[in-house]
This record gives sequence, structure tokens and C-alpha cells, in this order.
Amino acid sequence: AQTVTQSQPEMSVQEAETVTLSCTYDTSENNYYLFWYKQPPSRQMILVIRQEAYKQQNATENRFSVNFQKAAKSFSLKISDSQLGDTAMYFCAFMPQGNNDMRFGAGTRLTVKP
Amino acid sequence: DSGVTQTPKHLITATGQRVTLRCSPRSGDLSVYWYQQSLDQGLQFLIQYYNGEERAKGNILERFSAQQFPDLHSELNLSSLELGDSALYFCASSVVKTGELFFGEGSRLTVL
Repeated sequence: AQTVTQSQPEMSVQEAETVTLSCTYDTSENNYYLFWYKQPPSRQMILVIRQEAYKQQNATENRFSVNFQKAAKSFSLKISDSQLGDTAMYFCAFMPQGNNDMRFGAGTRLTVKP
Repeated sequence: DSGVTQTPKHLITATGQRVTLRCSPRSGDLSVYWYQQSLDQGLQFLIQYYNGEERAKGNILERFSAQQFPDLHSELNLSSLELGDSALYFCASSVVKTGELFFGEGSRLTVL
């Protein structure tokens, strides 16, 4: 069974600074997708970034980037130039390719301080 | 707007009752997923349907059931409700090629 672990229940960062959220996963699959979802106080689940396991290049979306280490089964999210609107729960998620069974970590609550 | 529609947004009911949550996926998406999120917890996968057929089952209680209809909308039925069933229930639909899920705004169920 696939498991996703987020070891940081809570984190905080000053506005305009950089923060990294950690995620590790356990799987025997070779082909899969990894995701970071953001859940602001509105509780809406919003996709932040996605990574295909077969791609060596780390995904980037504006201020959000990932550090994907396949051998270590690690998938961290870096948020640069943090903004107050980044305050949210962040969930790491794993989905085997062709399976569509997405599993989530327990989440990291990020607070951006002014 | 993700394109996934869930109703109702809020629902308050009593223990022992039965409720039905409804979900319409994004146009063209054949898969529907149901997740449960209890207060300040992660998302627990309940069940997945693909084009009307059950595809995967997670930690779904026997008191809960779901189905997907020919028009691809889905319903999650929760019966003999208990206090612990109070949660936010998310529906999501997927893009098969990219794997990502698009979530509805959720249905918040409160059992008193």
C-alpha cells in the first residue's frame, strides 16, 4: 500500500521569505504522479503543482517549485517570496499512473506572518 | 471554479438519520471520487467510480454507499449517522491523462 508522510504538522514563515515543506512517500510503483494541494481557510482544495515520476526535471509554477528525489522517495515543496495569501494547509499526494487512486498526507499548516 | 459541483454545501441532521450528497463531475470526466475530511485532519479516500462502475474502495464504512449514474453524476449515501460522521465530504473528478483531481467545494455535514 502506498503511504504519504508529511512530518511537519505546522510551519510558519515571514512574508517575502522562502519556506520548504517536506513530503516522503512509500511505493513499489515505478510510474506515478505526485501533487501538492493547497487548502486555504475557505476549505477549497486547490492544485499547486504536479510532478510525473518519469520526469527528472523538477516542476515549477511561478513561486512554487519542487525538489523531487525519486530514489529517496522525497517530494518537497518550496515557496519563494511567501505571501499572506499562501497561508493554508498544504497536502502532498501520490497517485499511481493508470490507477487514479490518490492518497494524501496528513497535511502541513503553513502560516505566513506579516 | 473547478467545474465540479457538490450539493448541498451545508447539512445539519440528527444521529440515526440518513443523508444523500450529490456530485456532478467536470464535463468530460468519467471518474468521480469521494473523500472525507474530519476536522483538522487529512483527506480519507472513500470510493471511486469510473463511468458508472466502482473502481476502487478505501476506508468507507458499511453504513455508507455510493453510486454513479448514467449521466455521470454521483451520490454518496450516509445512513445511521453518528456524531463522528460530522465532516467535510469532497467529491472530485479526474483528468485521466494528467492524473490530477479537481475538487468540488465540499459538503459540510454536521450530525447533532
